[in-house]
Amino acid sequence: QKEVEQDPGPLSVPEGAIVSLNCTYSNSAFQYFMWYRQYSRKGPELLMYTYSSGNKEDGRFTAQVDKSSKYISLFIRDSQPSDSATYLCAMIGNQFYFGTGTSLTVIP
Amino acid sequence: DVKVTQSSRYLVKRTGEKVFLECVQDMDHENMFWYRQDPGLGLRLIYFSYDVKMKEKGDIPEGYSVSREKKERFSLILESASTNQTSMYLCASRGGRTYEQYFGPGTRLTVT
Repeated sequence: QKEVEQDPGPLSVPEGAIVSLNCTYSNSAFQYFMWYRQYSRKGPELLMYTYSSGNKEDGRFTAQVDKSSKYISLFIRDSQPSDSATYLCAMIGNQFYFGTGTSLTVIP
Repeated sequence: DVKVTQSSRYLVKRTGEKVFLECVQDMDHENMFWYRQDPGLGLRLIYFSYDVKMKEKGDIPEGYSVSREKKERFSLILESASTNQTSMYLCASRGGRTYEQYFGPGTRLTVT
């Protein structure tokens, strides 16, 4: 079983939609959870960072961690075409563990 | 702003060639990483370094070596390139007191 599982998509939504991106993980020792955004032909960049369980909001983005279910989510409200990218979840154990990424396209 | 630069954006090499990928960071970070990224497989750690001249194997070190002679520079070496090493290679750096990894723009390597 992989440490981190992420649905690769692709996901295609109309502009203005609410987007939900998810990852599951197997190691209950993970404490730090991150979401990276990667535009085409670019390196990933950190979008959100959460410690332990709970929610964190930053503008249109909300990161949610449910440690009891080993499940993390990223919600994007009022999605924009500029949100079109691949989103990778990442967690820290004894090293970084990345999901495979979900490709998102927001259609104008 | 942290800047991580990689020597080439695109590279085409022949099977058997020795390939050098260079990465430079300007934030005095202790930790540097080399990943490869493939569709469906995500990011896989090849090697990392937590100090000058120190290196540790990641998940897929076979066929690769690394060099870190200066703190700001971390090189990935493919001793004898093979077609299964065709991939996107990403370098990252991280400071000792933070969790964020800063990535370079990537090098897309094609081995023919």
